[in-house]
Amino acid sequence: QLQLVESGGGVVQPGGSLRLSCAASGFTFSTYTMHWVRQAPGRGLEWVAGVWFDGGKTFYRDSVKGRFTISRDNSKNTLFLQMNSLRPDDTAVYYCAKRRSAAGEDFDFWGQGTLVAVSS
Amino acid sequence: EVVLTQSPATLSLSPGERATLSCKASQSVDIYVAWYQQKPGQAPRLLIYDASNRATGIPARFSGSGSGTDFTLTITSLEPEDFAVYYCQQRKIWPPLTFGQGTRLEMK
Repeated sequence: QLQLVESGGGVVQPGGSLRLSCAASGFTFSTYTMHWVRQAPGRGLEWVAGVWFDGGKTFYRDSVKGRFTISRDNSKNTLFLQMNSLRPDDTAVYYCAKRRSAAGEDFDFWGQGTLVAVSS
Repeated sequence: EVVLTQSPATLSLSPGERATLSCKASQSVDIYVAWYQQKPGQAPRLLIYDASNRATGIPARFSGSGSGTDFTLTITSLEPEDFAVYYCQQRKIWPPLTFGQGTRLEMK
């Protein structure tokens, strides 16, 4: 049974940091590019970052470059998102998402999400 | 960045009716569009990939079409469980991967 379970969300002050984790099971984690997608309250979906299957390459949206770092530990089947210098507009539910196949970046499985609230 | 514009923002229909949702890209994305369904409090679910391919386990009443800049998701004969928000996403030109703003399908 394929599972993605996010954790690490919470309330943080502007300028603070959080580290999100996504524990994967039920598939060969080390062979899939993985992504983080977020959704602000009452808003649509927004892609945040992606990392190759081996961690060799990472991708970010411009608004998080230099503040967020995506990484993975294939020995522990876990995806991470280190978020620094958090801003109120980073407030969202953060989902980890699995790439569907080697063909390209759409997402056939998502975790349940973890809420990050940036507020003073 | 490829901008995806979905229309209408809200679609009010009754069970049994046909739904047609549109997604227009700001530049050609070939066939590389996916559609997702999201219900309140749940993660998105992949319905369609590469414009017209149903994902595993998706009922045949869901179909997708289009190429280039114009894409359509059609739901024939709406079931009560189909009322949700639908998003399109392109993977042709990235980063960033981009989503449309969503269409809310509500029960009339």
